[in-house]
Amino acid sequence: QKEVEQDPGPLSVPEGAIVSLNCTYSNSAFQYFMWYRQYSRKGPELLMYTYSSGNKEDGRFTAQVDKSSKYISLFIRDSQPSDSATYLCALSYNQGGKLIFGQGTELSVKP
Amino acid sequence: EPEVTQTPSHQVTQMGQEVILRCVPISNHLYFYWYRQILGQKVEFLVSFYNNEISEKSEIFDDQFSVERPDGSNFTLKIRSTKLEDSAMYFCASSETGGFQPLHFGNGTRLTVT
Repeated sequence: QKEVEQDPGPLSVPEGAIVSLNCTYSNSAFQYFMWYRQYSRKGPELLMYTYSSGNKEDGRFTAQVDKSSKYISLFIRDSQPSDSATYLCALSYNQGGKLIFGQGTELSVKP
Repeated sequence: EPEVTQTPSHQVTQMGQEVILRCVPISNHLYFYWYRQILGQKVEFLVSFYNNEISEKSEIFDDQFSVERPDGSNFTLKIRSTKLEDSAMYFCASSETGGFQPLHFGNGTRLTVT
């Protein structure tokens, strides 16, 4: 079983839609959970990070972690064409430790 | 906003040649990393570096790879004898210390080995 699994998509939604992006993981030892956004030929850009179960909100973005189910989600409200990118979940076992990335979900928001 | 800077943006080299990829991490960061992304694949961890030594490395990071912090601002990745399969995007990242701090990535160097 892969450490981190993420549906690669592509996912296409109309502007204004609520987007749900998800990752599952196999090892309960993961403690830190991040979401990155990656535009074509650019580096991953940090969107949100958390280390606890529950929700964390930042503007139109909400990150959700369910450690009991080993499931993390990123919700984007009122999606915009500028949100079109690949979204990567990344997990870490410890502080300063390596990140294990998901495959990335390619999102396209149509005007 | 401070950012991680990588040079060059694109490097073409012949198989068997040595390449050095350069990075300037964010100035107050103390953890440094190299990741790579082969086209169409996941971002993969290569190595982490802290307090002037490697703190962790992956199976990919074999004897052909080395890292160095030659001065107070640069962080380099050297590949001694490049192979075709080394063609990828190489990302440098850095993070602060003190509790959990997320990684900040540069825009990468596209390495093409011919």
